[in-house]
Amino acid sequence: EPEVTQTPSHQVTQMGQEVILRCVPISNHLYFYWYRQILGQKVEFLVSFYNNEISEKSEIFDDQFSVERPDGSNFTLKIRSTKLEDSAMYFCASRVQGRDEKLFFGSGTQLSVL
Amino acid sequence: AQKITQTQPGMFVQEKEAVTLDCTYDTSDQSYGLFWYKQPSSGEMIFLIYQGSYDEQNATEGRYSLNFQKARKSANLVISASQLGDSAMYFCAMRGNNNAGNMLTFGGGTRLMVKP
Repeated sequence: EPEVTQTPSHQVTQMGQEVILRCVPISNHLYFYWYRQILGQKVEFLVSFYNNEISEKSEIFDDQFSVERPDGSNFTLKIRSTKLEDSAMYFCASRVQGRDEKLFFGSGTQLSVL
Repeated sequence: AQKITQTQPGMFVQEKEAVTLDCTYDTSDQSYGLFWYKQPSSGEMIFLIYQGSYDEQNATEGRYSLNFQKARKSANLVISASQLGDSAMYFCAMRGNNNAGNMLTFGGGTRLMVKP
């Protein structure tokens, strides 16, 4: 079965540094998402992306965050200046057209900000 | 705004028995979707089952079934014949009608532990 691929699986960074989390969604999918999960807490929506633009974003997704689909396959999340509280598991997800289509998640990137 | 509540932080079940994981939701949307995901210790999120608000029949996927009670706003997951590999976190999630991105709102999860 096709899968969403995320790299790296673990990322350690110093506070204030920029990080880029990378995702390759499933090839025929049209909607892309980033979610995060702080250790022991629920999964939280960050941003959705469709037709090369952000379709919705949460309060968490402030000016420090940005997303990009630089080519036909990659979907990236950039955190400009990381904070300690950005430490979390970040999940990329994608789906095909259709509201009721299931969301396929990647295996996540565990980001640790020191 | 949507809200998902999973009241069981942890549950034990004996191998080969059935188990029900509770999920209640709150929404003002007329059309919505309910999802269950499994998160094993390795961390990935695995889709299990989906129920649309207008579906008249409860969804089933193999050993998973969703007990959908619309009037009570509950969407409990039933796992039949539990296996050791079912030990994981289980998240209930909802897709509402009133957001452009069709984002999911997740509950806090239930940790299921299957005893041999």
